[in-house]
Amino acid sequence: DIQMTQSPSSLSASVGDRVTITCRASQSISDYISWYQRKPGKAPKLLIYAASSLQSGVPSRFSGSGSGTDVTLTISSLQPEDFATYYCQQTYSNPYTFGQGTKLEIK
Amino acid sequence: EVQLVQSGAEVKKPGESLKISCKASGYSFTNYWIGWVRQTPGKGLECMGIIYPGDSDTRYSPSFQGQVTISADKSISTAYLQWSSLKSSDTAIYYCSRGDSTSHALTFDYWGQGTLVTVSS
Repeated sequence: DIQMTQSPSSLSASVGDRVTITCRASQSISDYISWYQRKPGKAPKLLIYAASSLQSGVPSRFSGSGSGTDVTLTISSLQPEDFATYYCQQTYSNPYTFGQGTKLEIK
Repeated sequence: EVQLVQSGAEVKKPGESLKISCKASGYSFTNYWIGWVRQTPGKGLECMGIIYPGDSDTRYSPSFQGQVTISADKSISTAYLQWSSLKSSDTAIYYCSRGDSTSHALTFDYWGQGTLVTVSS
């Protein structure tokens, strides 16, 4: 299985901050990576696919970059509704593994 | 509007069988994958497997192969996840999601609301 190591596991930030979350894959996954936002009691919401493509309807403050083994999700200016847990997922090979999540909290 | 509507919460005893469902609407069911994802506090999110309803091509995660069965009925645009003998460790929230492979990377773009399965004696 491809292991996805996500960092940090938690992060405290303020409204307006720029934050970056990283996923490192145990082997190259090209750009076969998606990023999701999950709020308590809700299903995951797709933010970014194919490493850097913004899902329709997602605010442009979200962006993704990287390929190979290291990929990042950046939120350029945090908004109150962005405080949630974020996950990466590789779809390069089965099983399509997720990172362990990054919980973004209000400072 | 794309929607995936899952069946309701279940409470079962160890050893019982169970089949939960995911009804799709708003798109061509046979042209997209359906994936099943397990969410637990201890292991986070795990992709259990996927099915392509158009030809029933099914791919399991090795961890779930033999433990569950994924199926689909294209006549009613519904996918299923079933267990023949539940264990307490199957207690989790289960999500279905639509898998889009039209770009080169399979992407799970729409998700059901989740089904809570509780297995307890």
